[in-house]
Formats: sequence, structure tokens, C-alpha cells
Amino acid sequence: GQQVMQIPQYQHVQEGEDFTTYCNSSTTLSNIQWYKQRPGGHPVFLIQLVKSGEVKKQKRLTFQFGEAKKNSSLHITATQTTDVGTYFCARNTGNQFYFGTGTSLTVIP
Amino acid sequence: DAMVIQNPRYQVTQFGKPVTLSCSQTLNHNVMYWYQQKSSQAPKLLFHYYDKDFNNEADTPDNFQSRRPNTSFCFLDIRSPGLGDAAMYLCATSNRVLVDTQYFGPGTRLTVL
Repeated sequence: GQQVMQIPQYQHVQEGEDFTTYCNSSTTLSNIQWYKQRPGGHPVFLIQLVKSGEVKKQKRLTFQFGEAKKNSSLHITATQTTDVGTYFCARNTGNQFYFGTGTSLTVIP
Repeated sequence: DAMVIQNPRYQVTQFGKPVTLSCSQTLNHNVMYWYQQKSSQAPKLLFHYYDKDFNNEADTPDNFQSRRPNTSFCFLDIRSPGLGDAAMYLCATSNRVLVDTQYFGPGTRLTVL
């Protein structure tokens, strides 16, 4: 289908450990967006990647867009308890918009 | 200051009793979206308005309707809620359709008894 798969579905890390979530599509993506949703909250936009091989950083977060524009990753360095939440990638295809399946991150203090 | 406001935050309705959820925005964005998010799932786009142009997702049930009387407001009408419609309903806005950052409201959690 059109949904984008994310792995892992769940991740538990000790505070201070790194975390990575991967987003994979069977078709080429024109762009990809990343959102974070805290428990009980709403999705909040993090970033949009457009170019093949693009890498963008936001403090401890590093976002990558694959060379073939079929996958993307979000890496968090030295996780903190404030990083807890579900991270979604999202794609748009013409006039449709799909969130990925999400990765739920738990950070153990 | 809240930019996308949803009322009410919690709504309880009875099986089959019509319910309306509301969304307003102060961003003056052209596009308003409605998503349904069930527990532990990703938000699913139901439909969106670009200005007054309504765009329905192919698999959105007919039970769900929407109205946008002006730029600031958008409503989600559920004509005959079923137990399976219990979910969080998220409203979002953006300037351009789908390609821009979407700004989400806090959501309305709907319970169907």
C-alpha cells in the first residue's frame, strides 16, 4: 500500500544511549517529513527532507534522506527523557498524505 | 497563543447519535485537514479543504462529513457514530496542500457509548 513502514515499532533505551528509527518506502518519495508526538499529545512537525542524500541536523537529532529517496532515518544522540514519544515519518503523493507506522521511544532514566 | 484550536477536547456521544467536532485556526492558512487517530496507530487523513475546495480520501466512510464555512473554521460531522469511530480526531492546517508543514491542534477524543 501507500503507507510507509517504520522500524522498529518500539524502542526502549537507557538515558544517554543513542536511538535510530528507519522509514522505508517501496516507491520513490518526492519528499519526507518527520513528526514527533508526545504521549497524549498531537503531532509536531520536526523537519522536511527533499533532496537525495540530504542530511539535516537539529541539535541532537540527525535526519537523513536516502540516495534513492526511498528511505529516511532519524537518529538521536544521547537520548534524554524529553525525547520520549512516537516519531512518525510522513509522505505525500500528489493529493494524498500518509503517516508512517511510527516508532514509539521510551527513555529509561 | 494557541494557533489551532479544537473544541471540545473530549466528546462523549451515543451510538448512532450525530456529533460535530470543531476546529479553528489563527494562522490564516489555506488548508485545513481532519485526521482520525486510533490508539497506538498513526493518524489517518480523512479529508482536507483547500480554501473552499473539499478533497475526500478514497477510503473515508460516508458517515464522515466536513464543512468549512470560512477560512478560520472547519467542522467534522459524524452522522451516525459507531463504536469503531471512537478515536482521537486531529485537525491540522498548512499553507499549501500536503507539501508544507502541518500544524496540529490538540485533538478531540471521541468516546462512543
